[in-house]
Amino acid sequence: DTGVSQDPRHKITKRGQNVTFRCDPISEHNRLYWYRQTLGQGPEFLTYFQNEAQLEKSRLLSDRFSAERPKGSFSTLEIQRTEQGDSAMYLCASSSGTRSYGYTFGSGTRLTVV
Amino acid sequence: DAKTTQPNSMESNEEEPVHLPCNHSTISGTDYIHWYRQLPSQGPEYVIHGLTSNVNNRMASLAIAEDRKSSTLILHRATLRDAAVYYCILRDSNGNKLVFGAGTILRVKS
Repeated sequence: DTGVSQDPRHKITKRGQNVTFRCDPISEHNRLYWYRQTLGQGPEFLTYFQNEAQLEKSRLLSDRFSAERPKGSFSTLEIQRTEQGDSAMYLCASSSGTRSYGYTFGSGTRLTVV
Repeated sequence: DAKTTQPNSMESNEEEPVHLPCNHSTISGTDYIHWYRQLPSQGPEYVIHGLTSNVNNRMASLAIAEDRKSSTLILHRATLRDAAVYYCILRDSNGNKLVFGAGTILRVKS
């Protein structure tokens, strides 16, 4: 297990289309997080899962965004009816869940909405 | 969430030590101090974390003030590959998420 994998690395889509991103965490990590990062800013928290349960969602996550983690393994983040403002890097991270341990991040999916 | 304050940017010469400061005056007694860095076009990377005592690992050292209201990340010999954005983060009081600020852009000159 070499780390957190995200797919695709890049996605260009037309405004109004739906997109879905996938994240495969480190297998023994029970927590999975999604973040969004725009140019020049630090990552912003979107949501996190403990196993298959989605325990927290940011107010940034509008109704057009949905995330799932079936069976507590990989996760998907879907954006419906994309808007230009959704253009960003979407980062996934996983952790073992305790406060003292760090997160392992994937390399992200860069979304460009044209 | 307790917040941290970091300089926007710092510059260092290659092969010299770098001290990256972070203020966290509202830290609670149970907050861990985490440092991450983000290289261009990559996700953030864990560097080090600590609670009260100074910590060392292969990447860096973390010096924590006695009152815990500030900390310093120390890179002992900066290389060009250390050029990145460095984030100082207090682990959320219930441990649920990391809250990133803007971080410090570290530039390393050869």
